[in-house]
Amino acid sequence: QSVLTQPPSASGTPGQRVTISCSGTSSNLGSHPVHWFQQFPGTAPKLLMYPNYQRPSGVPDRFSGSKSGTSASLTISGLQSEDESDYYCAAWDDSLNGWVFGGGTKLTVL
Amino acid sequence: QVLLVQSGAELKKPGASVKVSCKPSGYSFNTYVISWVRQAPGQGLEWMGWINTYNGNTNHARHLQGRVAMTTDTSTSTVYMELRNLGSDDTAMYYCARDAGSFGISFDHWGQGTLVTVSS
Repeated sequence: QSVLTQPPSASGTPGQRVTISCSGTSSNLGSHPVHWFQQFPGTAPKLLMYPNYQRPSGVPDRFSGSKSGTSASLTISGLQSEDESDYYCAAWDDSLNGWVFGGGTKLTVL
Repeated sequence: QVLLVQSGAELKKPGASVKVSCKPSGYSFNTYVISWVRQAPGQGLEWMGWINTYNGNTNHARHLQGRVAMTTDTSTSTVYMELRNLGSDDTAMYYCARDAGSFGISFDHWGQGTLVTVSS
């Protein structure tokens, strides 16, 4: 059972907008920023978004993020087939004194 | 460019220990903490702990306390993660990643992963 809660799956058609949610508590998302990752099978996760909704160089601006209270979301606009991947959220947790991850969301592009 | 290179795959018997290395390059070694994250087959990401490469301080996930040890060798700019008393549920891909803390740009670079298989 992951500390941060994500839907196990999401889907959309090319060109659509898809949002993946990440729900936490006051000790993690309520107090700390969210990081988002993309992971393709057999590869290491890749950082998609870091605090203040910034994107590392090379991440398309189709990816955006938001946070409100103890929930965060990742939005992919103009969905492309290459976005089909697993997505994870993460945040620091003050109660656990460690990083916590969501269980991951498998995004399917129909 | 920034790289984190990990040691190769390991096959261990239950009850044994494994030690995985991670050698960062392309930046000043002691300016970032190194976190370890593992991923069991078909499962999500699990943070195991971090080591401060500047002073050697560590912070381990509570459920691994007593079984995990993280060390650093500043002479070779290498960090190590040792996991003891392995069980089948420790079979996973183990990753090291650069960590700048909650409010920093953390996990921006990862190692390639080390597959640890625990089997009798």
